[in-house]
Amino acid sequence: AQSVTQPDIHITVSEGASLELRCNYSYGATPYLFWYVQSPGQGLQLLLKYFSGDTLVQGIKGFEAEFKRSQSSFNLRKPSVHWSDAAEYFCAVGAGAGKSTFGDGTTLTVKP
Amino acid sequence: DGGITQSPKYLFRKEGQNVTLSCEQNLNHDAMYWYRQDPGQGLRLIYYSQIVNDFQKGDIAEGYSVSREKKESFPLTVTSAQKNPTAFYLCASSIGRGSRTPLHFGNGTRLTVT
Repeated sequence: AQSVTQPDIHITVSEGASLELRCNYSYGATPYLFWYVQSPGQGLQLLLKYFSGDTLVQGIKGFEAEFKRSQSSFNLRKPSVHWSDAAEYFCAVGAGAGKSTFGDGTTLTVKP
Repeated sequence: DGGITQSPKYLFRKEGQNVTLSCEQNLNHDAMYWYRQDPGQGLRLIYYSQIVNDFQKGDIAEGYSVSREKKESFPLTVTSAQKNPTAFYLCASSIGRGSRTPLHFGNGTRLTVT
């Protein structure tokens, strides 16, 4: 069965600093990977997705993620964090029939 | 604007009562899903439907029921059999049924049962 691990429950960064959120997955076949962001009390919004091809994918809001098959990782990065990036971030792997398995999320706090 | 509408945003019920959460989409998506979110946890799949008049149990279906009579609508009923119903419930849809299709989410319903 597929699984997703986000090792960091909570991360704090200063505004303007770089960000990396970690995601490790377990899946038997070629994974379809997603990152979503959730503001408090809201639904999730898709940031980016990886299906195949170039292992560095670009998303919305200046985010990017790199797929590393050898490490079973799909880490999310942003070069310079803005205060509006404070939110909860979820990594997910696409399972069969359109279902997705989600990690437990990483809460990002941005210090002024 | 196309999207998913969940109503109400907040819902309060007494223990022992059934309650139905509404989910409507105008994205013309085939598949719809219900997820439950608890603090510090990821999303857990309750039920999903890939086509009208058909639905399947997810990982935590016990104590819940759904219907899919119209493509646009996928209501979730939280029954009195659900042991711990207080949670944030998210409805989602996807344009296709495969693993590649990302999910589009509504803004959720927070259910409190006392």
